[in-house]
Amino acid sequence: QVLLVQSGAEVKKPGASVKVSCKASGYTFSLYGLTWVRQAPGQGLEWMGWISPQNGNTHYAQKFQGRVTMTTDTSTNMAYLEVRSLTSDDTAVYYCARETWNDAYWGQGTLVIVSS
Amino acid sequence: EIVLTQSPATLSLSPGERATLSCRASQSVSNFLAWYQQRPGQAPRLLIYDGSSRATGIPARFSGSGSGTDFTLTITSLEPEDLAIYYCQQRSNWPRTFGQGTKLEI
Repeated sequence: QVLLVQSGAEVKKPGASVKVSCKASGYTFSLYGLTWVRQAPGQGLEWMGWISPQNGNTHYAQKFQGRVTMTTDTSTNMAYLEVRSLTSDDTAVYYCARETWNDAYWGQGTLVIVSS
Repeated sequence: EIVLTQSPATLSLSPGERATLSCRASQSVSNFLAWYQQRPGQAPRLLIYDGSSRATGIPARFSGSGSGTDFTLTITSLEPEDLAIYYCQQRSNWPRTFGQGTKLEI
């Protein structure tokens, strides 16, 4: 079965960077794009971007352009989300998801807390 | 970017009643619209794709309709486990976007 397992919670200071990982299993990793979505405490879902493991093509929400990098490693079926120059507004649960037209599989989420 | 506006923000109903949730897009998304359910403390779950098609395992009491800019998620005969926040998502253009959510209280 399709499974996405994310790395554990992180606590970072303002100005630092964080790298969240997402380990995929149960399917051919290179064939499906991966989406990253975040959710601040008590807030809605915010679409951050998408990456194709097959060729590295990405689409980012304009809000995150230049501050976020999505990468994949097809040898280990891993996806990564790096967010730089963190502020308290980046405190959120970060999800990876494999979305196709008719199904969607989500990781369990990674809590990132930004606090001095 | 396409803005999705959901209404109402909160909906309070009783078990057995019918819920009607709305999602309006700032420009046409054809039928490339999905609905997600997020129960407390859980990751979102896909309910509806392509505006009106139920995802695998979704009960028949969930139905979607609409095209272009106006969409509706209908839940007939509410059950207590339907307590959740419901989000629409457009899949027509990059960047994908979500609505702000409708909280369903049972």
